[in-house]
Amino acid sequence: ILNVEQSPQSLHVQEGDSTNFTCSFPSSNFYALHWYRWETAKSPEALFVMTLNGDEKKKGRISATLNTKEGYSYLYIKGSQPEDSATYLCAFYTGANSKLTFGKGITLSVRP
Amino acid sequence: GAGVSQTPSNKVTEKGKYVELRCDPISGHTALYWYRQSLGQGPEFLIYFQGTGAADDSGLPNDRFFAVRPEGSVSTLKIQRTERGDSAVYLCASSKDSVYSEQYFGPGTRLTVT
Repeated sequence: ILNVEQSPQSLHVQEGDSTNFTCSFPSSNFYALHWYRWETAKSPEALFVMTLNGDEKKKGRISATLNTKEGYSYLYIKGSQPEDSATYLCAFYTGANSKLTFGKGITLSVRP
Repeated sequence: GAGVSQTPSNKVTEKGKYVELRCDPISGHTALYWYRQSLGQGPEFLIYFQGTGAADDSGLPNDRFFAVRPEGSVSTLKIQRTERGDSAVYLCASSKDSVYSEQYFGPGTRLTVT
């Protein structure tokens, strides 16, 4: 059984604060790590697909890093805005089969 | 262009009934996935189609669950003899080819079994 752990489970920050989340996954048989953002009443939206150790990707104020040897990825949000309020999910792909294994997600709430 | 659509958005059914959930993927996407999300959990993989064939159905919980994609586009998830434990949000996603590609999710179908 693959375990993908995300922490913290929920986070409440003030508008303008920067924040970061952690996704931990098994370091063996790594193929890809996905990050998704899921806003209430909307569809999950892909943020990043990361495959290489040391990868760093950026989309606007959001960036992510990947360490496949130690089995973690960080997601950073710089200067949080109320519209960043959502659940952030990471998902791990081993390549041994076709399934993405998701973490439980981190719920971010940004107060104006 | 149009995203992934799912119908119905909500389905309430009685225990023991049969339900069908439909997914329309993005045109041209060969890969299609079904997930189930229960309260407080992340999406849980059910089945993966590559084209018309179920390439991996290892996530289907039991033989009451079945999915088809006869023409390599629209997919239907079928649940027989529904149980209260089947209540969840059922998500469909499609991608261009494999799990190296980002997945595009539909809005989900919330199934409630009473």
